[in-house]
Amino acid sequence: NAGVTQTPKFRILKIGQSMTLQCTQDMNHNYMYWYRQDPGMGLKLIYYSVGAGITDKGEVPNGYNVSRSTTEDFPLRLELAAPSQTSVYFCASSYSRDRGPFGTLHFGNGTRLTVT
Amino acid sequence: GENVEQHPSTLSVQEGDSAVIKCTYSDSASNYFPWYKQELGKRPQLIIDIRSNVGEKKDQRIAVTLNKTAKHFSLHITETQPEDSAVYFCAASRGGGADGLTFGKGTHLIIQP
Repeated sequence: NAGVTQTPKFRILKIGQSMTLQCTQDMNHNYMYWYRQDPGMGLKLIYYSVGAGITDKGEVPNGYNVSRSTTEDFPLRLELAAPSQTSVYFCASSYSRDRGPFGTLHFGNGTRLTVT
Repeated sequence: GENVEQHPSTLSVQEGDSAVIKCTYSDSASNYFPWYKQELGKRPQLIIDIRSNVGEKKDQRIAVTLNKTAKHFSLHITETQPEDSAVYFCAASRGGGADGLTFGKGTHLIIQP
C-alpha cells in the first residue's frame, strides 16, 4: 500500500491565484482530513469527511473548499490565495469506529505552500 | 471547544536521560489522548495513545500517563537516544478516536550527545 499520497510537494502561488492540493489514499479508510501546520502552532483541522459525498468544516475552514466524490480522493481547493495561507498542508485518513483501529491518523508527506 | 496546552515548547536532554512532556486539556468529556512524533521534514506518526479508562500505558521506552481528575496527561521517554530528536504533539478528542482531535502546539525534543 502507498498509504496517503499528496501532490504537489512544494508550490509557490501569487496572491489571488487558485490551486488544488491533491490527496488520495489506498487503505479503504472512510474518514479523511486536511490539516495545516504553522511553525509553533501545532496542527489545525481545516475540513474533514466521514465518507464519499459528506464533508464538514473544521477549526479553520475560511478560504478553503473540499469535495469527496470517491472514498479514495479528498482534494483541497484554495480559490483566492492569501499570504495567511502560507503553511504546510497535511492530508490524513483513518478508519471509522466500526471499521478498524479508530485512533490512528495516517498522514501524507505534506505540501509546503508559499503565497507571495 | 477543546483546548490543549503543551509544555515545554523545547526540551533538551542528555542522551541516556529521561524526557517528560506534559499536556493539559479543558474538555472533561475528552476520552482519547494520542501522541504523535514528527521528525524534521517528515509526516507526523502515532507513537502511543491512551484512553480514559486506563491510567498508564507503556511501549518499550515510552509511556503515557493520564490523570482524568486533573485533566492532564504526560509522555515519558526513558534512556533517550539520538533518534528520539523530533517534535512531539499531544492531542485529545471526545469521540474516542481520530476524528475531532485537538492538537497541542508541540514540543521540540533535542537529544544532546
